[in-house]
Amino acid sequence: GIQVEQSPPDLILQEGANSTLRCNFSDSVNNLQWFHQNPWGQLINLFYIPSGTKQNGRLSATTVATERYSLLYISSSQTTDSGVYFCATQDSGWFSGGYNKLIFGAGTRLAVHP
Amino acid sequence: DAGVIQSPRHEVTEMGQEVTLRCKPISGHNSLFWYRQTMMRGLELLIYFNNNVPIDDSGMPEDRFSAKMPNASFSTLKIQPSEPRDSAVYFCASSLKDGIRNTEAFFGQGTRLTVV
Repeated sequence: GIQVEQSPPDLILQEGANSTLRCNFSDSVNNLQWFHQNPWGQLINLFYIPSGTKQNGRLSATTVATERYSLLYISSSQTTDSGVYFCATQDSGWFSGGYNKLIFGAGTRLAVHP
Repeated sequence: DAGVIQSPRHEVTEMGQEVTLRCKPISGHNSLFWYRQTMMRGLELLIYFNNNVPIDDSGMPEDRFSAKMPNASFSTLKIQPSEPRDSAVYFCASSLKDGIRNTEAFFGQGTRLTVV
């Protein structure tokens, strides 16, 4: 099945700093999402981005499907950005029989200090 | 829409007891996923339903786990008998399968299960 790798596994930032999180996937995909899991355990949707670039406030994401990666940019980080960031994707379904399972990476744990 | 609703939020049970977790997907969604999250294994997909039919249950750990989706608005995940190693947070998610792919998935708040 498809493999999803995220880097870095851990990241410590000072408030106000910028960062880039990366998600690599092993096969062609037709869906990619970024989630933020906050300290209370909630999984919050950030972006649904199978391809292209999207922006939402201080966050933006880019997926280059042909090169099998996606990037999440966090600018002017705040302490409330702390938590774990997951990317998740599903394969294009041909060899998996069209199952389109949503598979998660291991996450990037971000700590933003004041 | 209220989003994906899971119940209970927390469950503490004794080893050997039956546990039933419940999920109400977002209205209009036709795909439903059950995940388990632990520190050791991260987010694991347990089972995936599409149009109320189990499509892939390869992630279900063993026969003690079973899942049903009797209709488009309700699913259950049952563990019988429960064991301490089943302690985890169980998430339910739903999305719309639009032709060849599932569109954006949304997660419930999870059920934190502790088996003592």
